[in-house]
Amino acid sequence: EVQLVESGGGLVQPGGSLRLSCVASGFTFSGYSMIWVRQAPGKGLGWVSYISTSSSTIYYADSVKGRFIISRDNAKNSLFLQMTDLRAEDTAVYYCARHGGGTTVFDSWGQGTLVTVSS
Amino acid sequence: SYVLTQPPSVSVAPGQTARITCGGNNIGSKSVHWYQQKPGQAPVLVVHDDSDRPSGIPERFSGSNSGNTATLTISRVEAGDEADYYCQVWDSSSDHYVFGTGTKVTVL
Repeated sequence: EVQLVESGGGLVQPGGSLRLSCVASGFTFSGYSMIWVRQAPGKGLGWVSYISTSSSTIYYADSVKGRFIISRDNAKNSLFLQMTDLRAEDTAVYYCARHGGGTTVFDSWGQGTLVTVSS
Repeated sequence: SYVLTQPPSVSVAPGQTARITCGGNNIGSKSVHWYQQKPGQAPVLVVHDDSDRPSGIPERFSGSNSGNTATLTISRVEAGDEADYYCQVWDSSSDHYVFGTGTKVTVL
């Protein structure tokens, strides 16, 4: 069974930093691209970032480019999101998701971790 | 940037058919995926690549995509189908993934 477990969320002040982690199990992590998606309270889903299997291809949403860095450690079955210069509008539940092989779908999701940016 | 537009809400009686649209410029040329999200839960994939169902998803869920509109159809709606539904595509012109605005399905 595919499992994705996020951690690292919490309360942070504006301008602060936070590092999210996502540990994967139940599948060959190194064989799948991965995604971060976020959802602000009461709002819709928003794609944040993409990383390919070998980390050779990375994409960011315009709203986080230059502030967030996605990375992965295939040896540890782990995905990361380093977030800096956090703003109130970054407040959201952050989900990691598995990118389906050979298609553009997100076929498995974690339960999410809440990031709150507030003074 | 590429925009996907969904109706904010759809109401349907049990046993009837719900149709949720997802509008985008020439969306018929893209692969569309649909997610169901119940309150307090993570999204779940219900239809991928326009019309394919993942294992475990009831046949009542189906999809189509043509022209400027993709549609998720839920047949014989049940109370348990009440949720938010999102469409999603990959926009190759911007190297961005895009979600629709979301539709809340209410079962009357």
